[in-house]
Amino acid sequence: SQQGEEDPQALSIQEGENATMNCSYKTSINNLQWYRQNSGRGLVHLILIRSNEREKHSGRLRVTLDTSKKSSSLLITASRAADTASYFCAAMTTDSWGKLQFGAGTQVVVTP
Amino acid sequence: DTAVSQTPKYLVTQMGNDKSIKCEQNLGHDTMYWYKQDSKKFLKIMFSYNNKELIINETVPNRFSPKSPDKAHLNLHINSLELGDSAVYFCASSQVEDTQYFGPGTRLTVL
Repeated sequence: SQQGEEDPQALSIQEGENATMNCSYKTSINNLQWYRQNSGRGLVHLILIRSNEREKHSGRLRVTLDTSKKSSSLLITASRAADTASYFCAAMTTDSWGKLQFGAGTQVVVTP
Repeated sequence: DTAVSQTPKYLVTQMGNDKSIKCEQNLGHDTMYWYKQDSKKFLKIMFSYNNKELIINETVPNRFSPKSPDKAHLNLHINSLELGDSAVYFCASSQVEDTQYFGPGTRLTVL
């Protein structure tokens, strides 16, 4: 069954604005990973946040994790046209031996 | 150097044919995976190998058979291809329970 569910499904913003997307999952996790996929391309790893962590930063990206609510969020600050892509969260559950369970993704469009 | 590579990038074939997709990683990881991404972009794991041993085998038709000749390679062979097999197939590798690195994908079209 699908673990990660993302919200919103699509997001359209202007350059310079912030973009926030949320992910919910169903069972206990070892970690949660965020990926970006440009149209027709492969997945690029953005951030991994472990179950004992609450927040991580990488450049203009900030990821939070709330294990009590089984949810995570990805914030892209000062967005650029090059941030246009689909963003996926993927939960690595504790019983999964490394299996990532992906959400349906959020399609982000950043217009100049 | 490409970390995770797949060949071919595109594969167009007729129903009923047999085809293979190859994957290689040069990251020294112990674990490799195959994922399938459907037309709605939903990604689902198919198989995982750890040190050449099959550890994850999701509910996948037995027409799909993975093979790992060594821990740097994981190939996917598909027999008797069907229209519904059309998708993008991604290979990935990682150390167990760590960041997974994905290949560029193989777009399979079955006519």
